[in-house]
Amino acid sequence: TQLLEQSPQFLSIQEGENLTVYCNSSSVFSSLQWYRQEPGEGPVLLVTVVTGGEVKKLKRLTFQFGDARKDSSLHITAAQPGDTGLYLCAGSNTNAGKSTFGDGTTLTVKP
Amino acid sequence: NAGVMQNPRHLVRRRGQEARLRCSPMKGHSHVYWYRQLPEEGLKFMVYLQKENIIDESGMPKERFSAEFPKEGPSILRIQQVVRGDSAAYFCASSLRTAFLNTEAFFGQGTRLTVV
Repeated sequence: TQLLEQSPQFLSIQEGENLTVYCNSSSVFSSLQWYRQEPGEGPVLLVTVVTGGEVKKLKRLTFQFGDARKDSSLHITAAQPGDTGLYLCAGSNTNAGKSTFGDGTTLTVKP
Repeated sequence: NAGVMQNPRHLVRRRGQEARLRCSPMKGHSHVYWYRQLPEEGLKFMVYLQKENIIDESGMPKERFSAEFPKEGPSILRIQQVVRGDSAAYFCASSLRTAFLNTEAFFGQGTRLTVV
C-alpha cells in the first residue's frame, strides 16, 4: 500500500511570512499533484509534477518534486489570508484519477 | 463549460435508509472516480468507472456500496442500509476520454452525507 505523509498537519502563520509544506513517501510515484481545498468545497488542482527534480512556480507558490519521485514540497512566499485552506498532495502511477492522497496540511494565515 | 456536477450537495439519511449520490462529469470526460473524505483527512479512492464499466473498485467496501456509470445519465454511488460510519464527504472526479498517465482529474464540490 502506497502512503503519503504530509507535514505539518496544521500550520498557523502571520500574513507576510514564508512557509513550506512537505509530502513524503517511501514509494515512487509517476506523478504528483498538489490541491487546495476550502471548507465545503472540492479539491482544486494547483499543479502536477512528473519529472524527478522538477520545480514549478505558480505566482508565490513553488512546487518541487524530489529527484527520486518519492517526495515533494510546496513553498509559499509572503503568505496572504487568501492562502488559507487545506493543502493536499496526491500521487498516482496509473492515471491522475486514481490517486493516493495525503491527509493534508491545514494552513491558516492571519491578517 | 460546466465543471463536475454533484448532487445533492447535502444529504441526510436515517440509519438503514439508502443514499444515492449523483455525479455528472465534465463535458467530454468518460472516466469517473469516486472518493470519500472523513473530517480532517485526505481523500480515499473508492472506485473508477468508464461508461458502463467498473474498471477498478479496489477501494469500495465489500458490502452495501455500489457504483454505476450508465451509457446515458450521471454516475451513481449507492449506499444501502446506511450506518453512522458512512457519514462523510463523497467526491467525484472526472478525466478525459483518453485517460493516460498524468491525465489531470477535476473534482466536483462533493456530497456531504450525514447519517442520523
